Amino acid sequence: DIVMTQSPDSLAVSLGERATISCKSSQSLLYSSNNHNYLAWYQQKPGQPPKLLIYWASTRESGVPDRFSGSGSGTDFTLTINSLQAEDVAVYYCQQCYSLPYTFGQGTYLEIK
Amino acid sequence: EVHLVESGGELVQPGGSLRLSCAASGFTFVDYNMGWVRRSPERGLEWVANIRLDGSDKYYVDSVKGRFTISRDNAKNSVYLQMNSLRAEDTAVYHCVRVSGWGRFDAWGQGTLVTASS
Repeated sequence: DIVMTQSPDSLAVSLGERATISCKSSQSLLYSSNNHNYLAWYQQKPGQPPKLLIYWASTRESGVPDRFSGSGSGTDFTLTINSLQAEDVAVYYCQQCYSLPYTFGQGTYLEIK
Repeated sequence: EVHLVESGGELVQPGGSLRLSCAASGFTFVDYNMGWVRRSPERGLEWVANIRLDGSDKYYVDSVKGRFTISRDNAKNSVYLQMNSLRAEDTAVYHCVRVSGWGRFDAWGQGTLVTASS
């Protein structure tokens, strides 16, 4: 199974500042035939189910604000949230959809400093 | 708007069975693969099972193989999870998910709580 490891486990950032979350996979998520990385990011706010933010490592889901961006390739990926807003307080998860069983990172809790 | 509504979760004794249901609306159900993902404090988010849009193929995480069965009824826009021989470690909130692309979950239900405890 592919192991997904996020860092840090928790993060406190001031309003208007940038938050950066790292996700590493135990094997490459790059599918060479189409050059896509099969890595997704989700946001889970209190009392709500997870919501898909980004797929293919860097493609924003429809309706997701452009202050959310994803980057990386192979085994190392980053979720960046620019100009942090109060509504961004949540747990963020990465997930590999490269091979079964699909696996998630342990989550990163983002709060306001 | 896409809606996924789960039902069927409850307290059950270890070794018991439950059947979860998920009613889908707001999209063309037959065009999508569907699945279940569970969430618990101990294990975080864990993918459980997927089923292809026509029900032809089913996939499971190893820990539930032989105990859980995913199915769907395209006439009723519904997906199900039959859970047998439940264990304490199956305790979790079970989310019904819509699967897009090659395994990303682009819609989630609120979830239904399954508790396997004596």
